[in-house]
Amino acid sequence: ELKVEQNPLFLSMQEGKNYTIYCNYSTTSDRLYWYRQDPGKSLESLFVLLSNGAVKQEGRLMASLDTKARLSTLHITAAVHDLSATYFCAVGGNTNAGKSTFGDGTTLTVKP
Amino acid sequence: GAGVSQSPRYKVTKRGQDVALRCDPISGHVSLYWYRQALGQGPEFLTYFNYEAQQDKSGLPNDRFSAERPEGSISTLTIQRTEQRDSAMYRCASSFGGAGNTQYFGPGTRLTVL
Repeated sequence: ELKVEQNPLFLSMQEGKNYTIYCNYSTTSDRLYWYRQDPGKSLESLFVLLSNGAVKQEGRLMASLDTKARLSTLHITAAVHDLSATYFCAVGGNTNAGKSTFGDGTTLTVKP
Repeated sequence: GAGVSQSPRYKVTKRGQDVALRCDPISGHVSLYWYRQALGQGPEFLTYFNYEAQQDKSGLPNDRFSAERPEGSISTLTIQRTEQRDSAMYRCASSFGGAGNTQYFGPGTRLTVL
């Protein structure tokens, strides 16, 4: 059974600082998704990573995938308050292609 | 264009009643996914469809849960004989292609079973 672990689960950081959220998973997969969820809202897709070594960047967020280490990272550069949200990673199954297993999320609070 | 829509947005029902939750995906999207999300947790996969074919229903908790997408567009998730433990946010998502494509999530249906 595929297990997905995110850490940290809660992150409080100051504006302007950098930080990394980690997503570890237990079985082989080459499909990794990152989502953002604001309080009381639905999920918004941020990145889809489909191969080992894949790196994608959007604004202050950069995601990478290392399928050998079964690890994805979401790096935040020079955080701003608007990035405060919960971030989820989800891993696609190998045998069940459309099935995604989500982590428990990292709740990020960016303070002035 | 319009995003994924779900109805009703809120549903309160009594234990033992059946409920039907509807998802209207983005037009032209081949794949449709159902998830359940408890407060403070990540979404939990329930089932997904490519066109009208249900590809994987391994996440459905028990046989009280079923889903259909008869014409490859709108989907209905049905829960029979609801129980209090079924209370959760039920989310639908769709994607243009299958695995590896961006999933667009709907606003969800908040189900409360009294």
